[in-house]
Order: sequence, then C-alpha cells, then structure tokens
Amino acid sequence: NAGVTQTPKFQVLKTGQSMTLQCAQDMNHNSMYWYRQDPGMGLRLIYYSASEGTTDKGEVPNGYNVSRLNKREFSLRLESAAPSQTSVYFCASMTPGQNYGYTFGSGTRLTVV
Amino acid sequence: GEDVEQSLFLSVREGDSSVINCTYTDSSSTYLYWYKQEPGAGLQLLTYIFSNMDMKQDQRLTVLLNKKDKHLSLRIADTQTGDSAIYFCAESMEGYSTLTFGKGTMLLVSP
Repeated sequence: NAGVTQTPKFQVLKTGQSMTLQCAQDMNHNSMYWYRQDPGMGLRLIYYSASEGTTDKGEVPNGYNVSRLNKREFSLRLESAAPSQTSVYFCASMTPGQNYGYTFGSGTRLTVV
Repeated sequence: GEDVEQSLFLSVREGDSSVINCTYTDSSSTYLYWYKQEPGAGLQLLTYIFSNMDMKQDQRLTVLLNKKDKHLSLRIADTQTGDSAIYFCAESMEGYSTLTFGKGTMLLVSP
C-alpha cells in the first residue's frame, strides 16, 4: 500500500501565482487533513475534511481553499501565492476513533518568491 | 482550549537513554501519540498509548503516562545516532476529528 501520496514534492512559485497541492490515500480513511510546518511553529492545521462531502477550517485557513474530491482525494489550493506561504505542507488521513492516529504524506516543499 | 507542550531540544550521547517529556491540558484525551520526523521527511507514528494505560513498552521505547499530572514521556533506551530526529507528542479526544500536536522536541545524538 502506498499510504498517503502527495504531489508535487517540491515547487517554486512567483508571488501571485496559483497552484493546487494534491493528496490521495488508499487506506479507506474517513478524514483527511492539510497542515503546514514552519520552523519554531510546529504543525498548524489549515483545513480538514472529517468525512467525504465536508470541509472545515483549521487554525490558519486564510489564503487557502480545499476540495474533498472523493473519499481518497483532498486537494489544497493557493489562489494567489504569497511569500508568507513558503512552508512545508503535509497531508494526513485518519479514521477517528481508531488507535493509530494520522498517517502522513512525505510533504510538499513550497517556496514563494 | 487544549494545548500540548514539549521542551524544544534534547542532546544525548550515543548509548545513553533519552527521555522526552510532554504535558497536555485536556483530561478527556483518549489516545496519546509519539511521532518521529527525520530530516526532510514526513511524520511517522512511533507508538501510542490509550488513556487508561500507565505504561507501554515496545522494544527500545517506553511510554509512561501520568494522568493525574497530564504528563507523557517517551524513553528511548540505548539511543543511537539514527534516533536523531524531531519527536512530536499528540493527543486525540473523544468526538473530535483532529489531533493536537506539540511543537516537537529535537533530539540530537552525538557519537
């Protein structure tokens, strides 16, 4: 099993450009998540989808949109990238109530210049 | 609201034991987790403990939970240079769809 797959692994954008980060999981998990990781800030939740058809804001949603395309896929879109969105982005999935927590993807390293 | 606190840095010598500590504020936590992040990689689940347990051992890893003090610790026996990484503590709560993470403890193991 591949687990959680994120694409792309690296991306450089110019300020104002848009892009979509893709995430897919093959573990039949109900919930999916997008986090960003910045030095000294730990992991901050951007958006999550508790189940197919629902999405909710996390701690830092401004400047992002998400789409839960189906049970497997959850994408994160930056409509107009800003240098403050330079970060490492992680997708994760889980079925709440089960004891093994999140499964994480390997991350997307995004630089906005 | 819920909060998870960890010390930011720990340095040990190869062969010593490492103890990484974590405190949490919400007494309704159900599961508590330890994740490991190696440089340039995603987070991997190391181990977890259910909130009605006091201790869990898994090879070189020992997790201790003190519910009264809301304190969780991860002990790594015979620490190796390959254990150098960032370790995250996290909690889940009944009825919630998200985990709450600490900011991570960077473990540096020197030869």
